[in-house]
Amino acid sequence: DIQMTQSPSSLSASVGDRITISCRASQGINNYLAWFQQKPGEAPKSLIYAAYSLQGGVPSRFSGSGSGTDFSLTISSLQPEDSATYYCQQYKSNPYTFGQGTRVEIK
Amino acid sequence: QVQLVQSGAEVKKPGSSVRVSCKASGGTFSRNAITWVRQAPGQGLEWMGRIVPFQDISNVAQKFRDRVTITADKSTGTAYMEASSLRSEDTAVYYCAREIGGSSWDNYYYYYIDVWGKGTTVIVSS
Repeated sequence: DIQMTQSPSSLSASVGDRITISCRASQGINNYLAWFQQKPGEAPKSLIYAAYSLQGGVPSRFSGSGSGTDFSLTISSLQPEDSATYYCQQYKSNPYTFGQGTRVEIK
Repeated sequence: QVQLVQSGAEVKKPGSSVRVSCKASGGTFSRNAITWVRQAPGQGLEWMGRIVPFQDISNVAQKFRDRVTITADKSTGTAYMEASSLRSEDTAVYYCAREIGGSSWDNYYYYYIDVWGKGTTVIVSS
């Protein structure tokens, strides 16, 4: 199985800050990488697919980058509504594993 | 925007089975896939398996292969996840999600999630 490791596990930042979450795959996955946002008590929401392509309706302050084994999700100007847990997922190889999540808190 | 409507919460005894449904609004899957992901209380997301209804192909993660069956009724646009021999560790929220398919330059066919259902809580308790 491909292991997906996110860092940090949690972070706290202020409104307007630029933050970056990293996701590392245990083996190369080309760009078959998606990012999701999940708020407490809600279903996940799809943000990004193919490492950097935004899903429809996702604000442009979200961006993704990377290829191979190292990926990142950046929020260019953190907003209060971005407080959530973020997950990466590889869809290169069955089982299509998720990272353990990164909790983002607003200071 | 397509919506996925899941069945209601279930409380099951250990050793029993549960079937969770996921109906696509509009009643059709088109050429998309439906995937199932679960989340135990306070834990992360775990991929369980998927079905590609128009190809009648399903694949289930090795971890669940002996206890989970994923099926779909194309006539009603409904997918099902059935889990048997339930144990307390199966207590979780079970999500279905739609996957969009695509092919890469080297003819690798892939699916990625775009829309999620709201989830179905399954509690396994004696």
